[in-house]
Amino acid sequence: LAKTTQPISMDSYEGQEVNITCSHNNIATNDYITWYQQFPSQGPRFIIQGYKTKVTNEVASLFIPADRKSSTLSLPRVSLSDTAVYYCLVGTYGQNFVFGPGTRLSVLP
Amino acid sequence: SAVISQKPSRDICQRGTSLTIQCQVDSQVTMMFWYRQQPGQSLTLIATANQGSEATYESGFVIDKFPISRPNLTFSTLTVSNMSPEDSSIYLCSVIPGSSYNEQFFGPGTRLTVL
Repeated sequence: LAKTTQPISMDSYEGQEVNITCSHNNIATNDYITWYQQFPSQGPRFIIQGYKTKVTNEVASLFIPADRKSSTLSLPRVSLSDTAVYYCLVGTYGQNFVFGPGTRLSVLP
Repeated sequence: SAVISQKPSRDICQRGTSLTIQCQVDSQVTMMFWYRQQPGQSLTLIATANQGSEATYESGFVIDKFPISRPNLTFSTLTVSNMSPEDSSIYLCSVIPGSSYNEQFFGPGTRLTVL
C-alpha cells in the first residue's frame, strides 16, 4: 500500500485559493488518488479522484504530475465552511484504504 | 452513490459489556468496511465485512474483540466486546458501490463512550 504524507495543518483566509499537497512516492501503476473531507462528528465525504494530469469538479481541482509521486488538491475561494480535515488516499479497487493523519484546514474570516 | 445509516448514533456503556453497532445501506454493495476513529485522530480500518464469509481483520484487530456479521449485501453489524475505556471512539462503516471506482461512502458514525 502506498503511504501518503501531508501537512498536518494549514491556515487560510476566506476567498483565498488553498492548495494541499500530498506525497506518495511509492504509488503503484494501478493506484488512483482520492481526496476526502471530514467535518467534526461526520464521516468523511468524497471530494475528488484522479489518476493523472488534472481533474476538476464543482468543488475542487486535483493536479497530478507525470511521475504521480505527489498530488495537489486545490480549493478555489475557500469559505469558513471549508474548515475541515482533508485526507489523501492512494489505492486501487479491492484494496484496503489507509487513511493518513490528514491536513487540518482552518479558514479564517 | 449510497446512503448509509448507523444505529445507535451514540452510546455510553459500562466497562466489561458489549455493544453491537448496525450499518444499513440503501442498495446492495459488495465492499463494506468498518473503521475506528479515536478523538482527534485519523481513521483506522478494523476489518472488511465479507458477505457470506468471515470478515478480514487488519493487524491489531481480532475477531474475538470485534466480531462482525454480514448476512446480506445491505447490512452489517460490528460488536465491540468486553469493552474498556480505551474502546471509546467513533465507529464508522463505509461502502464502495459497484458503480463508483474507489469512492467510499461513509455512515454518520457511532460515538461510543466506555466508563
